[in-house]
Amino acid sequence: ETVMTQSPATLSVSPGERATLSCRASQSVSNNLAWYQKKPGQAPRLLIYGASTRATGIPASFSGSGSGTDFTLTISSLQSEDFAVYYCQQYNNWPLTFGGGTKVEIK
Amino acid sequence: EVQVLESGGDLVQFGGSLRLSCAASGFTFSNYGMTWVRQAPGKGLEWVSVISGTGGSTYYADSLKGRFTISRDNSKNMLYLQMDDIRAGDMATYYCARGPPVGINLWYFDLWGRGTLVTVSS
Repeated sequence: ETVMTQSPATLSVSPGERATLSCRASQSVSNNLAWYQKKPGQAPRLLIYGASTRATGIPASFSGSGSGTDFTLTISSLQSEDFAVYYCQQYNNWPLTFGGGTKVEIK
Repeated sequence: EVQVLESGGDLVQFGGSLRLSCAASGFTFSNYGMTWVRQAPGKGLEWVSVISGTGGSTYYADSLKGRFTISRDNSKNMLYLQMDDIRAGDMATYYCARGPPVGINLWYFDLWGRGTLVTVSS
């Protein structure tokens, strides 16, 4: 099983600042990596797929990078609606696996 | 409107059974793979199972050990998850989500429902 490790577990950021989230795979997943945003009581929302391609309707303030085992999600300027938990998911190997999540909270 | 809507979550006894449903609308259901993902209280997302657009291929998380069965009825635009021998660890909100178009083997999920809650009692 491909283990996905996200860091940090919690990130405290002030509105307007940049947030950088990390996701590491225990083996290569090529660029088959997606990022999701999850807020309490809401459906998860696809942000990024293919490691760096923004999903439909996702603002340019969200960007993804990386390949192989190391990936990054960057939110360039945090807005109030961006405070949430973010998950990475690999779809290169079976079983599909998610990271444990990074909570982005208001500093 | 393009959406998926889960239902069927309930309070169920340890060792019991439950069937979850997911109604899809606004897109050609049979053209897409589908998945179930769950989230236990206070925990992260956990992938459960996927099914291809035709229903001919299915995959499950190893931890389920044959207790869950995913299926679909393309004539009704419905996805199902049959849960048997339910355990305490199965208590979670279960989400259905849309996967890749038929013929594309890239299993990320671009359309999610709000989930349905399964509670387990002893």
